[in-house]
Amino acid sequence: EAGVAQSPRYKIIEKRQSVAFWCNPISGHATLYWYQQILGQGPKLLIQFQNNGVVDDSQLPKDRFSAERLKGVDSTLKIQPAKLEDSAVYLCASSLGGRRSYEQYFGPGTRLTVT
Amino acid sequence: TQLLEQSPQFLSIQEGENLTVYCNSSSVFSSLQWYRQEPGEGPVLLVTVVTGGEVKKLKRLTFQFGDARKDSSLHITAAQPGDTGLYLCAGGWNYGQNFVFGPGTRLSVLP
Repeated sequence: EAGVAQSPRYKIIEKRQSVAFWCNPISGHATLYWYQQILGQGPKLLIQFQNNGVVDDSQLPKDRFSAERLKGVDSTLKIQPAKLEDSAVYLCASSLGGRRSYEQYFGPGTRLTVT
Repeated sequence: TQLLEQSPQFLSIQEGENLTVYCNSSSVFSSLQWYRQEPGEGPVLLVTVVTGGEVKKLKRLTFQFGDARKDSSLHITAAQPGDTGLYLCAGGWNYGQNFVFGPGTRLSVLP
């Protein structure tokens, strides 16, 4: 079974530029999560999708971050414009959903450096 | 304010030693998960505990959920260099509809 795929693995941009990350979850997984992990910290949930609907985006900085999950499969996370404090690893995870939602499978992450 | 606290923050031990790391909260969780994360990789789920007082064993790893479902511990027996990594606990409510991760314990096992 293929795992969660993410691209790119690394990205370096200047502040005020835009960037987009892509995630392909495990086939059949209804729930998809985007996390931000700053160096030395645990992952922080940014947004959670159930199929193509948003379940929780309370911690997403909506003035600069946006995410979509068209057709309930792949997802993209965008930052526009980026700030220095956005430097972090962006993790995508998926789960079957429902009562199996706590069994999350993570991708390798995208390491973003904003200079 | 961290909803989940983990201790110690860092731990460096010799191969063969035993260790315990802790995950504490003032909140009651419906489930608690432990993950291990290696450099450049995403976290990998080790175990989920859902019942107060529950103990689960995974080879040399023993996980315990507190009776009040507010805290958990992870004990590793005879640690090996392959156990090196960041150990994260995550608490959930509503069967996974809401999650929070702790800051992690970074473990280094020296050969």
